Amino acid sequence: DTGVSQDPRHKITKRGQNVTFRCDPISEHNRLYWYRQTLGQGPEFLTYFQNEAQLEKSRLLSDRFSAERPKGSFSTLEIQRTEQGDSAMYLCASSLQGGENYGYTFGSGTRLTVV
Amino acid sequence: GEDVEQSLFLSVREGDSSVINCTYTDSSSTYLYWYKQEPGAGLQLLTYIFSNMDMKQDQRLTVLLNKKDKHLSLRIADTQTGDSAIYFCAEKVRFGAGTRLTVKP
Repeated sequence: DTGVSQDPRHKITKRGQNVTFRCDPISEHNRLYWYRQTLGQGPEFLTYFQNEAQLEKSRLLSDRFSAERPKGSFSTLEIQRTEQGDSAMYLCASSLQGGENYGYTFGSGTRLTVV
Repeated sequence: GEDVEQSLFLSVREGDSSVINCTYTDSSSTYLYWYKQEPGAGLQLLTYIFSNMDMKQDQRLTVLLNKKDKHLSLRIADTQTGDSAIYFCAEKVRFGAGTRLTVKP
């Protein structure tokens, strides 16, 4: 297993366009998390899945953001009608329920630039 | 609401001890974590502590937990230049803003 994979690594988009990011977690991990990180800040929690169920969603997350994990494996994060304030690094992490002492394994992130 | 707070910067000399502090608000956390982020790299789990422990030692790292005050600290003994990084405190899904540790030779 190569760890948590995110695609693409970089995305530049024009304001108002929709973008979609993909995350492939570690195959044995049933929990998957999306975070957003801006310069000088810690990862900001967006949402998390246990298997295919979306169990928690940050109340800071606007309706323009949606995430799916249809088969309990990979996940997608879509941002509709992007705004310049959406520019950030989007991080995906995965973990195993019952393996909390191992923490999260993070991917390298997708850097979004909205111009 | 729930929050995790840390001081933003720490500068030490090589060989000294570093202490990074964190406060959190969610008392139901079973585990508390320290992650390390090196320049241009992703976040990696550095260490963790179970909530029924007061202290955990792992080589040069010592984690102290004061549940009453909801205070967590990370001590790095004999700090090396390779320890220069951003250190994040985390509980459940929430992370602090990170403490940038700079180690001067």
